[in-house]
Amino acid sequence: RKEVEQDPGPFNVPEGATVAFNCTYSNSASQSFFWYRQDCRKEPKLLMSVYSSGNEDGRFTAQLNRASQYISLLIRDSKLSDSATYLCAVTPWGAVYQKVTFGTGTKLQVIP
Amino acid sequence: NAGVMQNPRHLVRRRGQEARLRCSPMKGHSHVYWYRQLPEEGLKFMVYLQKENIIDESGMPKERFSAEFPKEGPSILRIQQVVRGDSAAYFCASSERTSGANVLTFGAGSRLTVL
Repeated sequence: RKEVEQDPGPFNVPEGATVAFNCTYSNSASQSFFWYRQDCRKEPKLLMSVYSSGNEDGRFTAQLNRASQYISLLIRDSKLSDSATYLCAVTPWGAVYQKVTFGTGTKLQVIP
Repeated sequence: NAGVMQNPRHLVRRRGQEARLRCSPMKGHSHVYWYRQLPEEGLKFMVYLQKENIIDESGMPKERFSAEFPKEGPSILRIQQVVRGDSAAYFCASSERTSGANVLTFGAGSRLTVL
């Protein structure tokens, strides 16, 4: 089983729609969780960290479910500019160093 | 703050040649990660380094690939005797912390094409 798994998509949604992505992780000792956004042929950029209590940043909401070992990203009122690949990232708990493992990404295409 | 600087941005090599990719981390960051991304695929971890130390190289192929992060100068990812399968985007990222939330800042990547 892969350390971090995502549905590759693509998710094709109309403007204004709400879309959600899930990301599962295999190491129950994982500590820190993140969502990154990657535009075509560009570098990944941090979208948001994921906190245990869940967190929101504008139209974006991230949640963590430790019992089921997944994190989610919800995008409300989708914009054309949200079209990108969304990568989840996970780091282990209590390690001396923190290797960051990424999922393969979920591609989102927002359609006019 | 110039961010994470990678060069060259594009590199073309013929099979059997060597490729050297350089990465200068953000100012104040002492941890460097290298990732490889094949077309239409995700980021695959290769190696994690601190100054003068390789912390985790579990993602590095056993042969032909090496990485270093010297006391002075950029981190270098070296690929010897390149093959077509090495064609990919190589991203470097840096961070400043080993505890707590480990947020990575990525460079723009180096795109290697092997002819």
